[in-house]
Parts: sequence; structure tokens; C-alpha cells
Amino acid sequence: AQSVAQPEDQVNVAEGNPLTVKCTYSVSGNPYLFWYVQYPNRGLQFLLKYITGDNLVKGSYGFEAEFNKSQTSFHLKKPSALVSDSALYFCAVRDWGFQKLVFGTGTRLLVSP
Amino acid sequence: GAGVSQTPSNKVTEKGKYVELRCDPISGHTALYWYRQSLGQGPEFLIYFQGTGAADDSGLPNDRFFAVRPEGSVSTLKIQRTERGDSAVYLCASSKDRGQETQYFGPGTRLLVL
Repeated sequence: AQSVAQPEDQVNVAEGNPLTVKCTYSVSGNPYLFWYVQYPNRGLQFLLKYITGDNLVKGSYGFEAEFNKSQTSFHLKKPSALVSDSALYFCAVRDWGFQKLVFGTGTRLLVSP
Repeated sequence: GAGVSQTPSNKVTEKGKYVELRCDPISGHTALYWYRQSLGQGPEFLIYFQGTGAADDSGLPNDRFFAVRPEGSVSTLKIQRTERGDSAVYLCASSKDRGQETQYFGPGTRLLVL
């Protein structure tokens, strides 16, 4: 069965500092990995995905994520955080052969001025 | 429209009533998904349509939940005999096709069962 773990309920970072939001996954086959962001009272917005190829994936708003197969991780990163990045971030995995996404419980990112 | 739309945005009903939630996917997207998000949790898969047919309904919690997509575009999620535990945000997503395509989400319908 597919599963995703986001070990941090909240991540706090000062504006201008680098940020990392952690995600580990478990699938039986090859994973398709996704990051979404959710702002208050809004739906999920797609940030980036890993399907195959380069382990470092670049996405929207300056975010990137690194796929690490040996550690079964897909951490989200950004070199310089903005206050406007404050939101709820979800990691999701889709196992090959299945269409459904399995989400983590989310990590709240708080960027202070 | 440009994105996935869902109506109503909010729905308040009483325990035991029947509700319908509507999803209008991105034009041309053949795949459509329903998820449910409870407070403090990530979205949980309910059902996936490819065209008009439900290709995977393994996430529907019980037979009170049913969804249709009769013309391969708009979908309706139907909940019979609602219970307080059904209160959640119901999210709809669509993608161009199966495979590697990204799922794009609508704003959700917030359902409150009193």
C-alpha cells in the first residue's frame, strides 16, 4: 500500500532563509511524487512533480524538490523564503498502475518577516 | 472555465438528509477524481472516473456515497442519509488523462452536517 509521511506539523523560518519541508514515502512500484500548497479557504495548488529523470525537480514560485530513492524521500526546498510562502504544504505519492494520490497530513510553513 | 469549479462552495444540511455536490472539470480533461479532506488531515481518495465510467471507487466509505459522470464531463457526488461524520471539505480534481498527468484541484465544497 502507498503511504506518505510528513514528520513536521509546522516549520518556522525567517524570511530570506532557506526552507526545507520533509516528505518520505512508501510504494510497491516506481513512485510518482507531487507537492501541493493550500492557502486558507482555497483548494490545492500544484507546485511540482517527479515522474522520472533528474532527481532535482524545479517547480512554481522558486520551489524545488529532490528525489532520493535510497532514502525514499522527496523533500521540498526553496533557497530564500518569502512571507507569502506561508501556507499548508502537502506531499503526495501515486504508485505506478494506480491513479489515486495518497497524501501526507500536511506541514504548515510559517515564514516570519 | 480556466480551472476546476465546484458548487456549492458551502453546504449545511441536517443529519439524515440527502446532498449532491457538483464538479465541473477543466475542459478537455478526461479523468476526474473526488477526494475528501477532514479537518487537520490530507485529502483522502474517494473515486476516480475515466470518461463516463468509475474506474476506481475503492475509496468510497460505504454505500451511502455514490458518484456519477453521465456525459464524461460534469460529475455529481451524492451522499444519502448524511451523518455528522460526513462533515468535511469535498475536493474534485481533473487531469488530461491517466498516466503521468497532474491532477488539478477545485476550491472544494465545505459540507457541514448538523
